[in-house]
Amino acid sequence: RKEVEQDPGPFNVPEGATVAFNCTYSNSASQSFFWYRQDCRKEPKLLMSVYSSGNEDGRFTAQLNRASQYISLLIRDSKLSDSATYLCVVIFSGDYKLSFGAGTTVTVRA
Amino acid sequence: ETGVTQSPTHLIKTRGQQVTLRCSSQSGHNTVSWYQQALGQGPQFIFQYYREEENGRGNFPPRFSGLQFPNYSSELNVNALELDDSALYLCASSYGLNTEAFFGQGTRLTVV
Repeated sequence: RKEVEQDPGPFNVPEGATVAFNCTYSNSASQSFFWYRQDCRKEPKLLMSVYSSGNEDGRFTAQLNRASQYISLLIRDSKLSDSATYLCVVIFSGDYKLSFGAGTTVTVRA
Repeated sequence: ETGVTQSPTHLIKTRGQQVTLRCSSQSGHNTVSWYQQALGQGPQFIFQYYREEENGRGNFPPRFSGLQFPNYSSELNVNALELDDSALYLCASSYGLNTEAFFGQGTRLTVV
C-alpha cells in the first residue's frame, strides 16, 4: 500500500463550480501536511499548508481528519487557471522527506 | 519565483554515461532535497542534505549520489545511466526540517 494515495481523477468541471477531493495517508504518526499544485511539465508549487483546525486561502479550503487519516482540498468558484495537478504531501513523524501522492488532475472548462 | 534554481534545464545522455545536476537553494535555506518524478507519478525522494550532511535517503541505488556545499547549494550525480533514469529531477530547498519546501524548475533528463 502506498504511503499517500489520491484519486487521480480527472475531475472535469465547468467554470464557477466547486470541486473537492481527498488524499489518504497510511501512517497515523504524521506531522505535517501540504497541498502543492503542479502545472504540466513544471515544478510543484506550494498551494497551502494544512492545519488541524482546517484552513482557508481565498477560494481554497483544506481540511485534516487525523482519526480517518485523510486530508481534503476544496476549490470554490473554479477558474480556468485552476486547471492543474494537485499533489497531496505528508511529512511523517521521524522522517524529514516530503511524501507525495501521485496527484489529482483537475480540468476547469469554459 | 521561489529563488531555487537548477541547471541545466534539459539534458540528453547516453546509457552508461554519468551526469551532474546542480541546484542553488533559496537564500537563507540550509536544507536541500532531491526528487525524481517520472511521467504521471508524484515526485519520489532521492536524498536530503542538511547543513552539508546527508540526512536521509530514499530507495535509490548507490549510483545516485550527492553533496551539499558550504553555501548550501547542492549537486546530484548519477553514474552508469539507465533508460529508466529518464525523468524530471527536482531540487527543493527549505529552512530546517519538517517545513514546507520550495522547488526549482527541475532538470528534465532523457537517457537514450
